[in-house]
Amino acid sequence: EIVLTQSPDFQSVTPKEKVTITCRASQSIGSSLHWYQQKPDQSPKLLIKYASQSISGVPSRFSGSGSGTDFTLTINSLEAEDAAAYYCHQSSSLPLTFGGGTKVEIK
Amino acid sequence: QVQLVQSGAEVKKPGASVKVSCKASGYTFTSYGISWVRQAPGQGLEWMGWISAYNGNTNYAQKLQGRVTMTTDTSTSTAYMELRSLRSDDTAVYYCARDRGGSYPGLADYWGQGTLVTVSS
Repeated sequence: EIVLTQSPDFQSVTPKEKVTITCRASQSIGSSLHWYQQKPDQSPKLLIKYASQSISGVPSRFSGSGSGTDFTLTINSLEAEDAAAYYCHQSSSLPLTFGGGTKVEIK
Repeated sequence: QVQLVQSGAEVKKPGASVKVSCKASGYTFTSYGISWVRQAPGQGLEWMGWISAYNGNTNYAQKLQGRVTMTTDTSTSTAYMELRSLRSDDTAVYYCARDRGGSYPGLADYWGQGTLVTVSS
């Protein structure tokens, strides 16, 4: 089973700051890594697919990068509405797995 | 627009079974799969398994093998997830999601609203 390790677990950030969340896979997954945002009491929402591909309707301040085992989600100029938990997810091999999540709080 | 609408909250006793439904609309149901993901209170996301709406092929998480069954009804574009022999640690919100993998599990792009299943004596 591929283990995805996210860091940090929690981040408290001021609006307009840049946020970087990393996701490390226990073995190479190519670009089969996706990012989700989950706001309290809501379903997860797809933010970035295949490591760096943007999703229609998602603000351009969200971007992804990486391949192989190391991936990054970047939020440029954080807004108050970005307070949420963020999860990485791999679809390279079965069983599919998720990272443990990163909670982003607005200061 | 793509929509996945799940059935309502359930309260079950330990040892019972639960069946959650997920009605899809806004796309060709048989061209995609359905993944099921659960989230225990205050915890992260756990992939439970996947079913192809095209041919009914399934793939389940090993820890749930023997207790979970995923099915689809193509006539109503509805997917179902049944979990048996419920335990207290099955208490969670259960999500269905449209899976871009029609023949193999892949990317879950649209999600249902979630169904809370509470297991308590």
